[in-house]
Amino acid sequence: EAGVAQSPRYKIIEKRQSVAFWCNPISGHATLYWYQQILGQGPKLLIQFQNNGVVDDSQLPKDRFSAERLKGVDSTLKIQPAKLEDSAVYLCASSFFAGTGGLHTQYFGPGTRLTVL
Amino acid sequence: KQEVTQIPAALSVPEGENLVLNCSFTDSAIYNLQWFRQDPGKGLTSLLLIQSSQREQTSGRLNASLDKSSGRSTLYIAASQPGDSATYLCAVKYERGNTGNQFYFGTGTSLTVIP
Repeated sequence: EAGVAQSPRYKIIEKRQSVAFWCNPISGHATLYWYQQILGQGPKLLIQFQNNGVVDDSQLPKDRFSAERLKGVDSTLKIQPAKLEDSAVYLCASSFFAGTGGLHTQYFGPGTRLTVL
Repeated sequence: KQEVTQIPAALSVPEGENLVLNCSFTDSAIYNLQWFRQDPGKGLTSLLLIQSSQREQTSGRLNASLDKSSGRSTLYIAASQPGDSATYLCAVKYERGNTGNQFYFGTGTSLTVIP
């Protein structure tokens, strides 16, 4: 079974530039998550999709971050414009189901390491 | 605000030792708790998931326990091996009904097993 794919693996940009990350979840997984992991910290959930709808984006800085999951499969996360504090690893994860009694195990991709100069 | 704390932040043990990693959370009304392993430059790998109604889960040399009333979980690793060296993260899930779920991660324990 193929895992969660993410690209690019690394990205270096200057502040105020824009950047986009791509994620392809495991086939058949309805739920997709984007996390931000700052060095030395645990991942912080940015946004959760159920199919192509947003379930939770309460911790997404909406003035600069946006995400979409068209057709309920692939997803992109965009930052525009980037700030120095956005330097982090951006992790994508997927799970088969997110509701009660379902299969909650999240499978993570390798992440995209973003450096903002 | 939900908080998940992991102690210690770093741990170094000789090969073969048994060890315990700790995770504590402030809100005991959890839905489940999950332990992950993170290797450098890689994503997270799920190790064990404990539902709120369970007390423990076991997989091979790993045993995770959950005490909701005290807001604690432990990950026990038996007979540690150098390949166990990684950062271990616990994540707590709170169910928020139709608005989805909230996941909170701890900051992790960096484990080094010395051959």
